[in-house]
Amino acid sequence: SQELEQSPQSLIVQEGKNLTINCTSSKTLYGLYWYKQKYGEGLIFLMMLQKGGEEKSHEKITAKLDEKKQQSSLHITASQPSHAGIYLCGASYAGNNRKLIWGLGTSLAVNP
Amino acid sequence: EPEVTQTPSHQVTQMGQEVILRCVPISNHLYFYWYRQILGQKVEFLVSFYNNEISEKSEIFDDQFSVERPDGSNFTLKIRSTKLEDSAMYFCASQGQAGRQYFGPGTRLTVT
Repeated sequence: SQELEQSPQSLIVQEGKNLTINCTSSKTLYGLYWYKQKYGEGLIFLMMLQKGGEEKSHEKITAKLDEKKQQSSLHITASQPSHAGIYLCGASYAGNNRKLIWGLGTSLAVNP
Repeated sequence: EPEVTQTPSHQVTQMGQEVILRCVPISNHLYFYWYRQILGQKVEFLVSFYNNEISEKSEIFDDQFSVERPDGSNFTLKIRSTKLEDSAMYFCASQGQAGRQYFGPGTRLTVT
């Protein structure tokens, strides 16, 4: 079965610090999504990666997909309290237009 | 940015009652999905729908669940006889021929 492991499960950082969240797949994936969620609320799309070695950035958040397409990292530079939330990765495996399998999430707290 | 909408935002129902969750996908999209997330747990795939039929379903999607696209715009999830364990956030998603799945804001279902 396909599984996504996210690490760390939770993270507390001081405002202004950089941080990285990882998402690792047991199999080569087709596409990888990053979402942000406030507890009990909806999913906020951050980025989608499909090509091995691809890197995308939005404001202070950068996501990379490794060449083998089995691991993705999400990096936040100079974290702010607004970055706090739960970061979820979701992956498709069998091509486009297929279900997403999800990680458990990484809970991020940013202390001012 | 195009939007997927879902109604209601919150539904409270008694155990054993039927509920219908509604979604309006993005108009030119062809692939539709339902996911659910029990509070504090992973997002889980329920069902995918293409060309007016189910293309894939998970073990969760048993006989008490059904989906349909009755009028070419709405996409509905029906739960025939709700159980306490059906309490969750239900997300609808739609996808075009290529590219990302767009998620709606979710319907929070509470079964009492």
